Amino acid sequence: DQQVKQNSPSLSVQEGRISILNCDYTNSMFDYFLWYKKYPAEGPTFLISISSIKDKNEDGRFTVFLNKSAKHLSLHIVPSQPGDSAVYFCAASPSGAGSYQLTFGKGTKLSVIP
Amino acid sequence: DTAVSQTPKYLVTQMGNDKSIKCEQNLGHDTMYWYKQDSKKFLKIMFSYNNKELIINETVPNRFSPKSPDKAHLNLHINSLELGDSAVYFCASSPDGGAYEQYFGPGTRLTVT
Repeated sequence: DQQVKQNSPSLSVQEGRISILNCDYTNSMFDYFLWYKKYPAEGPTFLISISSIKDKNEDGRFTVFLNKSAKHLSLHIVPSQPGDSAVYFCAASPSGAGSYQLTFGKGTKLSVIP
Repeated sequence: DTAVSQTPKYLVTQMGNDKSIKCEQNLGHDTMYWYKQDSKKFLKIMFSYNNKELIINETVPNRFSPKSPDKAHLNLHINSLELGDSAVYFCASSPDGGAYEQYFGPGTRLTVT
């Protein structure tokens, strides 16, 4: 049972345009969400996060939006750069007991075309 | 200066063998983790551990055991390796106190033949 779903395995975007990566979750206990970026042969790197008390968090070119009622979050990258080409994982965690446990989606491979 | 390191990076071994993967973090974090990324690319938590508590994912076979000689190290021991154990194993760490951001090592690709 996938509690965190990234339904698009891949996405191609032109350099300079916006990249939108989507993530859905089913567990109502999740209240903290993270995005990780992973290059080949490397470990995932933390990118940005959002708490359920917010609906938006911005860090430079990266913005994460959270729609709690729809159990949906998205990562916007603008403008997209070739160096952004990587696999992006959405992850979620409950607070309190078990807060150390991150549940990951399957990832979306982003290709930014120069 | 590597924050979370793992050795070896690649490990090829035969079924039935016992092997270990080492992990070290120099971030001063209190909690460490092991994840398995299988052929379907899912990253699944296997263990989380600090000096107070070991939390084991119930789906992890007891052939897998974490061993922590000190706060900076969490090694993964695997007994009686099986073909299905072939995967990439990632170590991670995070500060204690409920911080969610985890810092990952580069991964160890284990191939069981």
